[in-house]
Amino acid sequence: DVKVTQSSRYLVKRTGEKVFLECVQDMDHENMFWYRQDPGLGLRLIYFSYDVKMKEKGDIPEGYSVSREKKERFSLILESASTNQTSMYLCASSFMAGTYEQYFGPGTRLTVT
Amino acid sequence: SQQGEEDPQALSIQEGENATMNCSYKTSINNLQWYRQNSGRGLVHLILIRSNEREKHSGRLRVTLDTSKKSSSLLITASRAADTASYFCTDNAGNMLTFGGGTRLMVKP
Repeated sequence: DVKVTQSSRYLVKRTGEKVFLECVQDMDHENMFWYRQDPGLGLRLIYFSYDVKMKEKGDIPEGYSVSREKKERFSLILESASTNQTSMYLCASSFMAGTYEQYFGPGTRLTVT
Repeated sequence: SQQGEEDPQALSIQEGENATMNCSYKTSINNLQWYRQNSGRGLVHLILIRSNEREKHSGRLRVTLDTSKKSSSLLITASRAADTASYFCTDNAGNMLTFGGGTRLMVKP
């Protein structure tokens, strides 16, 4: 079974804090993705990576950065957390080629106070 | 990037009934996928239909694709309470998927 794990299910941070969200996959997938999910807005792509040290901006990259030092790990960084970044964050991975089916982690519900 | 849009936004049925939800998209697609999200298991891939296919089955799921109308439908037959979830359609160009807001399905026992 493919497994995508995220470091925390729930996280509470203060405004201005630096926040790290970690994602690990065990299927040797090339692609990894970070989404945020908000009521009424569906899933929106923040960043994705198609290889180690490679990254591409998604639809809403502002206020976020990412890091992919190893193939299995993709980190989302909020440099200075703000209340409008309170959301559910979902990580996903997929093979480079093929069906493009994405495998999702359980999500991290981040609250910024 | 384009967005699949699901319809209806919410659907409530009795256990044993069939549930149909629809998806529309704006431009040409390579394939279209349906995902399910419930609180217990997160987002899970259900089925993929390629642009040159018109219908596909997987267990109690039946997906149709009409590229002339740029629409797809997902039919869940003999629904169960465990089917209660949000259902998303998504298309992809390259490696990126774009999701709509989803259909929230409630199956009452």
